[in-house]
Amino acid sequence: DAKTTQPPSMDCAEGRAANLPCNHSTISGNEYVYWYRQIHSQGPQYIIHGLKNNETNEMASLIITEDRKSSTLILPHATLRDTAVYYCIVRDPYGGATNKLIFGTGTLLAVQP
Amino acid sequence: DTEVTQTPKHLVMGMTNKKSLKCEQHMGHRAMYWYKQKAKKPPELMFVYSYEKLSINESVPSRFSPECPNSSLLNLHLHALQPEDSALYLCASSQDRQGRNNEQFFGPGTRLTVL
Repeated sequence: DAKTTQPPSMDCAEGRAANLPCNHSTISGNEYVYWYRQIHSQGPQYIIHGLKNNETNEMASLIITEDRKSSTLILPHATLRDTAVYYCIVRDPYGGATNKLIFGTGTLLAVQP
Repeated sequence: DTEVTQTPKHLVMGMTNKKSLKCEQHMGHRAMYWYKQKAKKPPELMFVYSYEKLSINESVPSRFSPECPNSSLLNLHLHALQPEDSALYLCASSQDRQGRNNEQFFGPGTRLTVL
């Protein structure tokens, strides 16, 4: 079972920041937080991941709370092309048989013009 | 080349047919994956290959038979499928099965319809 909880849907105005929350209260010390997204009729796309420090790349920023029980993915200037289902996944990348991507239900982000 | 390709894009088959899905990557990745995605549901892992050996089978019925002929190719052989097997089948690859910077790259999927 997925170990994360996300709101089923969110709206965001084009050009504004989109902040997507994720709860992972049972995360273990070895587990990283990964974010993927899936645009309609396409395969999932990796966005970013982190362990405990905030991370930023060309696509997004990831803010992880100090207790690591929740995180927020930030798309700084959302565009219509960012409309997608966003999946937050916790995973131990060194966990052997447990090293799997288990997708939860995700958040459908709708960017409005 | 950072692309995973899948063929065919769409496939319609009867319950007595035998067909194969193909997946290819040229990123030098040594781990490859098959996922199944039903409509409005998240992807579910089916199989994982690591260095061309099957390392994970998520209790998938034997009517699905994976094959990894070499490090760049992954096949999924289909036989005697049921209508409930209709879904989007996604292939993915990663540098290795383990490791911190080990994001998976996904193909566009094959939309399978079983009549």
